[in-house]
Amino acid sequence: GQQLNQSPQSMFIQEGEDVSMNCTSSSIFNTWLWYKQDPGEGPVLLIALYKAGELTSNGRLTAQFGITRKDSFLNISASIPSDVGIYFCAGRVSSNTGKLIFGQGTTLQVKP
Amino acid sequence: NAGVTQTPKFRVLKTGQSMTLLCAQDMNHEYMYWYRQDPGMGLRLIHYSVGEGTTAKGEVPDGYNVSRLKKQNFLLGLESAAPSQTSVYFCASRSGTGSKYEQYFGPGTRLTVT
Repeated sequence: GQQLNQSPQSMFIQEGEDVSMNCTSSSIFNTWLWYKQDPGEGPVLLIALYKAGELTSNGRLTAQFGITRKDSFLNISASIPSDVGIYFCAGRVSSNTGKLIFGQGTTLQVKP
Repeated sequence: NAGVTQTPKFRVLKTGQSMTLLCAQDMNHEYMYWYRQDPGMGLRLIHYSVGEGTTAKGEVPDGYNVSRLKKQNFLLGLESAAPSQTSVYFCASRSGTGSKYEQYFGPGTRLTVT
């Protein structure tokens, strides 16, 4: 079946540093999504990307839909302690059913 | 709006017991989904529904059944729980069709099967 490879698996950074993570797939997706999960909570949508090459920002977060449609990147600038959590990428399989395939997640820890 | 709610938040079952997890949404969403989350594996789709009265299998459906008798509710059943079903279960819902309607998640149910 389809799989997404998300890297890195975990990051431990100093407050103020920039963060980059990415997701790659062997299949083409028409939509890429990035979610964040706080401890003990459900995932929350951060950014949605709908077009190859698209670059979208949400505050300090910037995500890009790769031109090959097989990858996506998320950058967080000037990290702060509340950025701690698990970040998931997801690719949409079908617009009709809305089914998503999720990456394994990147766990981010920020040292004040 | 409460959004997506899940009941219960935590549950411990013995092997072989049955239980039902309830997901409710008050956003009048057509689509609903059940996922399980295991360490290092992301979220995997168990079953989903594209409307009241319809259900379909996802990526990992074995050992689970679902029902969508009312638009706002999506039930996930475990008929005979196994330790391999120890996981955190998330429900999500989505409005309408087309390319720009995204899934909103509930807070999760943590299930332990001993």
